[in-house]
Formats: sequence, structure tokens, C-alpha cells
Amino acid sequence: DAKTTQPPSMDCAEGRAANLPCNHSTISGNEYVYWYRQIHSQGPQYIIHGLKNNETNEMASLIITEDRKSSTLILPHATLRDTAVYYCIVRLPTSNTGKLIFGQGTTLQVKP
Amino acid sequence: KAGVTQTPRYLIKTRGQQVTLSCSPISGHRSVSWYQQTPGQGLQFLFEYFSETQRNKGNFPGRFSGRQFSNSRSEMNVSTLELGDSALYLCASSSGQSTYGYTFGSGTRLTVV
Repeated sequence: DAKTTQPPSMDCAEGRAANLPCNHSTISGNEYVYWYRQIHSQGPQYIIHGLKNNETNEMASLIITEDRKSSTLILPHATLRDTAVYYCIVRLPTSNTGKLIFGQGTTLQVKP
Repeated sequence: KAGVTQTPRYLIKTRGQQVTLSCSPISGHRSVSWYQQTPGQGLQFLFEYFSETQRNKGNFPGRFSGRQFSNSRSEMNVSTLELGDSALYLCASSSGQSTYGYTFGSGTRLTVV
């Protein structure tokens, strides 16, 4: 699975969009980008995933660049409850393994 | 539907003891993975079980072991506990074949004194 690079921390004002970047320059053609978040002392929570097209669900949007070397997770209207550590993971969905490689993630602090 | 259930939520053990943690996956899920989370090392993969067979293993000593039962419930065991084993232990379940994400439990907080 390809390695990812994320900024260690970011701040965002409540009600504004939070844009969390992730670099995955060594991603291979059939690897997906997954995003999880972990709120303090809880288990990680799946947010969204994508291959090459932009994706949107009720939680967030995922923008993947055309060359697929980076992506951005967008929380359109951040709330205080979105304060968490956000992890970007690249993996093959059918790799037949439950192994997720977590980096250090980005600590997002949403401020009132 | 019910989520991933881990028991107990908190545990205090003494060095040298052993401990068993339990994980009940989402109904119908056949894959259970275990992770250790510490402030220094972050989230690290321990092992994964699928249909009662260990399918993948992380880089942990043999003191860490696990098993999965026919109903997909899983247990992990740590023998001869060390202070460094103090961590949040998380399990995650999935159908084993989906492209979608894994569902994590709330974890067991183990403190070794």
C-alpha cells in the first residue's frame, strides 16, 4: 500500500469548510484513497473513499487530483464535533486483508 | 444494527499477568482485525482473522495471539504483560470482501502496572 503524507494539525472556524490535504504520490492505478477519523478515545470512523472520481456522501466530499497523487477531504460546514484526528489511507480494496496502515494523521481543531 | 462490541472497556493488569480481550463483530461480518494504539506508535495492526483463520499478521511478538470462533467473535490474548503493552486495543470488522470501510469498536483500554 502506498504511503501518505498529511499535515500534523489544522484549525478551522466553526461553520466554515475544512479542507484536509493528503499526498500519496506513489499511489498505484488500482489503489483507493480512504479517509477515517478518530474522535478522542473512540475507535476510528470510516468517512469516505474513492478511486479517481470525486465522491460525496452525507459526511464529506473527497476531491482526488487528476494524476491521483493527492486528495482533499472537505467537511463543508465544520462543527465542534468534527474536532478529531483525520487519517488518509491508500490501499487495494480487494487486497484480501484487513490491514490498514495508519499514519500520524491530521489533528483538526474546530474553533467556535 | 448493532455495531462492533468490545469487552471489557477498561482493564488494569499487573506485569507478568496475561489478559484476554473480546470482540463481537457486526452480524454477518466474517473479518475481524485487531489494532494497538499508543501515544508513541499510533495505530498499529496486530492481526486479522477471517472465517476462523489468521489471514494477516503485524509485527508484534509472539506474546500477542488471537483466535476467531465459528460465530466470528474474536479474542486476543497477551501473555506475560509488560508496561509497554498499556494501550487502547481496537478491533474492526468487515464482510471481508467489500470495498467499503471497516467498522471499529470503541476499544479496550488496558493499563499494565
